[in-house]
Amino acid sequence: GDSVTQMEGPVTLSEEAFLTINCTYTATGYPSLFWYVQYPGEGLQLLLKATKADDKGSNKGFEATYRKETTSFHLEKGSVQVSDSAVYFCALKNSGYSALTFGKGTMLLVSP
Amino acid sequence: ETGVTQSPTHLIKTRGQQVTLRCSSQSGHNTVSWYQQALGQGPQFIFQYYREEENGRGNFPPRFSGLQFPNYSSELNVNALELDDSALYLCASSGDRANEKLFFGSGTQLSVL
Repeated sequence: GDSVTQMEGPVTLSEEAFLTINCTYTATGYPSLFWYVQYPGEGLQLLLKATKADDKGSNKGFEATYRKETTSFHLEKGSVQVSDSAVYFCALKNSGYSALTFGKGTMLLVSP
Repeated sequence: ETGVTQSPTHLIKTRGQQVTLRCSSQSGHNTVSWYQQALGQGPQFIFQYYREEENGRGNFPPRFSGLQFPNYSSELNVNALELDDSALYLCASSGDRANEKLFFGSGTQLSVL
């Protein structure tokens, strides 16, 4: 079945550091890929998405590129802020089926 | 634009009891999904409703059931609660069945003792 694997956290960084959170997936067909973010006490919010191979999703300085050859969708940001501290979830949605399959989430902690 | 709201925020039940969780979808959204998030895990799909009909179900037993009402609000019912049902239950609404963008509520934290 479909699955998503994320790097374990917490990821601890200083403000303005470079961020990478790794995400790989297993799926049949051609899934859409997503990053959702969960700030403390809030619901998950869509951060970015990509629907086909080589697409790059971007939002709020975050980027991720859909790499079919490596089945990966790594999240990157050039300079993190304290306000980026949250839990980040990688997810996929297979074509023909509407449910999302999530990874376990990666907590990011950014210190001043 | 109102967001997705869930009630209650916290709930404590004992094993064997029944529970009903409620969700009010974002205005204009006709699709609602429910997810279970155990501690330290990602959300797992329970089921989805589109215009009051169930149109997708994950690997959960029949004691997990749901309803969607004409105003697109929704309920999740769990019968014969088990200790492993302790989790955060998330409701998500979408403007279409394709679910390219889900809007999540903050969840209901259910503890089963």
